[in-house]
Amino acid sequence: DTGVSQNPRHKITKRGQNVTFRCDPISEHNRLYWYRQTLGQGPEFLTYFQNEAQLEKSRLLSDRFSAERPKGSFSTLEIQRTEQGDSAMYLCASSLGTVAETQYFGPGTRLLVL
Amino acid sequence: AQKVTQAQTEISVVEKEDVTLDCVYETRDTTYYLFWYKQPPSGELVFLIRRNSFDEQNEISGRYSWNFQKSTSSFNFTITASQVVDSAVYFCALSGNTGGFKTIFGAGTRLFVKA
Repeated sequence: DTGVSQNPRHKITKRGQNVTFRCDPISEHNRLYWYRQTLGQGPEFLTYFQNEAQLEKSRLLSDRFSAERPKGSFSTLEIQRTEQGDSAMYLCASSLGTVAETQYFGPGTRLLVL
Repeated sequence: AQKVTQAQTEISVVEKEDVTLDCVYETRDTTYYLFWYKQPPSGELVFLIRRNSFDEQNEISGRYSWNFQKSTSSFNFTITASQVVDSAVYFCALSGNTGGFKTIFGAGTRLFVKA
């Protein structure tokens, strides 16, 4: 399968713990995006990378959130000191190009903070 | 500011009925792109179509068709002869040249197709 993959698919954690999610984009895709989706809503943009450079971060991305894409391939999204409000589906997407090219999504990581 | 409105929260139809999902967008960008994605119960977003602001031609792909009208800022999606497998949440999305083509999604329309 050469689609976008995300791990883990599900994560349950206690409030205050740190969690890290991984996204492997479609190979040769230079852009990688992170979104958050809560129940009954559409995906909300968090951040995106072009190769290894993080080009934009949403105001939704508090200082407890950090994302990296060290070699321009896979990316990680870390949430420190998780809060119950962080419970959501975290989606990763990748695309090839520099304008509004089509983004292909992974299956998501569902986070539940108890 | 960019905005996508999908006024229909849920739609329920009987199999073989035609159904239209509405999408209205707001943008000040002169160059922008519109998308439709399908999110089945499994959760993974599936790309359906991409349209740029300079191409108002309607498009048909099998049972799916899209009507893009810049005059009314709408990009509606019609499923002809709906099937149970069409049951999903459908999202309309917008990406414009302001803000680096960041993609804004609507809240989605949940479609139930009953047998």
